[in-house]
Amino acid sequence: GAGVSQSPSNKVTEKGKDVELRCDPISGHTALYWYRQSLGQGLEFLIYFQGNSAPDKSGLPSDRFSAERTGGSVSTLTIQRTQQEDSAVYLCASSLSGTSGLPGYEQYFGPGTRLTVT
Amino acid sequence: AQKVTQAQTEISVVEKEDVTLDCVYETRDTTYYLFWYKQPPSGELVFLIRRNSFDEQNEISGRYSWNFQKSTSSFNFTITASQVVDSAVYFCALSEADTGFQKLVFGTGTRLLVSP
Repeated sequence: GAGVSQSPSNKVTEKGKDVELRCDPISGHTALYWYRQSLGQGLEFLIYFQGNSAPDKSGLPSDRFSAERTGGSVSTLTIQRTQQEDSAVYLCASSLSGTSGLPGYEQYFGPGTRLTVT
Repeated sequence: AQKVTQAQTEISVVEKEDVTLDCVYETRDTTYYLFWYKQPPSGELVFLIRRNSFDEQNEISGRYSWNFQKSTSSFNFTITASQVVDSAVYFCALSEADTGFQKLVFGTGTRLLVSP
């Protein structure tokens, strides 16, 4: 079946501009995650969605970062007023469950969006 | 504090050699999950294995095997008879009860280079 898809695969933007990154999870997966991979910070958790519950935003680095998930499926990560330190690969993942009592399901990752802020 | 430590930054081997990638973790939870992911040059993270804290049985899958030892907080990964296609960055990760098991905390990765 289809895996997690992300678009665009590459994005170059000027400092100060807003960007939107899109993630399509695996069909049937109820949990969706965003991570960031950069040379200096490694792989970092950003945000997590589970069904209709309020998202866990504890990993977002600043209030310039926001994300939403519409209809329990597609998610968009928005970065406002981009800075050079936002340059990284943004990875989306989905898993079968984030429901209490069904923990620890493996997360399947998309190919990522490479963001370059000039 | 580093919760997942992969001390080996890069390992180079010749094809058919066995290689072990080390992973040491730190957690106060009694219930947690450990994972290994592979990131080939294409960039996509590929899930390899999940292990929960109550299952210390070693696992073998083809040329891959994993050694989980709670006594040393380690979850090491061995590739037997390595192949060029095994060249990738390998990440060990942890998810804990206190975060609802939902956040993966990754190590810094070990780059494995297998030459012909």
